Amino acid sequence: GQQLNQSPQSMFIQEGEDVSMNCTSSSIFNTWLWYKQDPGEGPVLLIALYKAGELTSNGRLTAQFGITRKDSFLNISASIPSDVGIYFCAGESGNTPLVFGKGTRLSVIA
Amino acid sequence: DGGITQSPKYLFRKEGQNVTLSCEQNLNHDAMYWYRQDPGQGLRLIYYSQIVNDFQKGDIAEGYSVSREKKESFPLTVTSAQKNPTAFYLCASTMTGHEKLFFGSGTQLSVL
Repeated sequence: GQQLNQSPQSMFIQEGEDVSMNCTSSSIFNTWLWYKQDPGEGPVLLIALYKAGELTSNGRLTAQFGITRKDSFLNISASIPSDVGIYFCAGESGNTPLVFGKGTRLSVIA
Repeated sequence: DGGITQSPKYLFRKEGQNVTLSCEQNLNHDAMYWYRQDPGQGLRLIYYSQIVNDFQKGDIAEGYSVSREKKESFPLTVTSAQKNPTAFYLCASTMTGHEKLFFGSGTQLSVL
């Protein structure tokens, strides 16, 4: 199936630092989604993006839908310990199931 | 409260045994999905169903079976043909289309 390239695979950051991660694809997507998964739980939707160039915020999180429709970015500002988890990007392109990236594992050092 | 309920949280399978994972939703969602998660592998689609009594194979359907007899329920059976079943299994649902999936809290399946 389709693949999304998500990077970095993992990050270790100090509390208070900003975080950036991204997702790229060789295919065009109509919708980009960002999820967060806490250990032992299911992913929870953070942000949904529907339009090329769209920039959307949810508290300390900001995500962008790339102009080419082949990429998306997620930024977390002033990280805190509860930001720890795995962040997944997902793309939707018509009448097919979401395609997920492999995730970015975020660790925050207090 | 509306949501997706997966049970059990932990499940152990013996060699040659079939086991069934439960997924129930009261969100009135039409579509339901099963994903398998292995460390570092992300989420891989096993099966999905967009309407009752119909379902489609995902990317890794071999060794698994599903049924969709009711809108609220989408159980997954891990058969003895699945030789490497140890993984975290996630069920999800959505209204129509394939965006904005809502996930259950997962079932960890291990082999004894």
